[in-house]
Amino acid sequence: AQKVTQAQTEISVVEKEDVTLDCVYETRDTTYYLFWYKQPPSGELVFLIRRNSFDEQNEISGRYSWNFQKSTSSFNFTITASQVVDSAVYFCALKNRDDKIIFGKGTRLHILP
Amino acid sequence: GAGVSQSPSNKVTEKGKDVELRCDPISGHTALYWYRQRLGQGLEFLIYFQGNSAPDKSGLPSDRFSAERTGESVSTLTIQRTQQEDSAVYLCASSLGWTARLGTQYFGPGTRLLVL
Repeated sequence: AQKVTQAQTEISVVEKEDVTLDCVYETRDTTYYLFWYKQPPSGELVFLIRRNSFDEQNEISGRYSWNFQKSTSSFNFTITASQVVDSAVYFCALKNRDDKIIFGKGTRLHILP
Repeated sequence: GAGVSQSPSNKVTEKGKDVELRCDPISGHTALYWYRQRLGQGLEFLIYFQGNSAPDKSGLPSDRFSAERTGESVSTLTIQRTQQEDSAVYLCASSLGWTARLGTQYFGPGTRLLVL
């Protein structure tokens, strides 16, 4: 069975601090994909990243970075030097090869000015 | 169009009435998904279409919910005899295909449904 756990329901940090959003997944497949989506207050989900199970290289995109660790079944997301515009709900998701995508319950991130 | 579009953006209805929600996927995307998101909650999978295959309806919460899709184009989600607990944002997403490699989903803005 597939499962995605985002243990942090809500996080508040002061602007310019770094913050890491945790994501732990469960799957029996060896081929799978992991995703992060951002849902700002406007409501529309925005795709951030997709990572396949064979590529454990960490990814950096500007202030965003992702740490994929198969050994711990984690795909954590770090925002460096956070900004107020980063305030949103962030969803981690998992998709096996031929199955529907499963979303975690999301982490609500508040960046305080 | 450039992205997934949904209509109406907002819908207020009375309990017991039927509603129809529409989704226009990105052109060329063969997979289409419907999700429900209650206020402050995560995404709840409803139904998934892939090309001409039988849809995966495993997430539909009751027989009052149904969805159709014509080919690889527009989809409609119908809720019959609406109940107050149906109030939520209904999100549609499309992707190039159903395999994980092509499965990055792009979401529409959602339809906010309020059942009075």
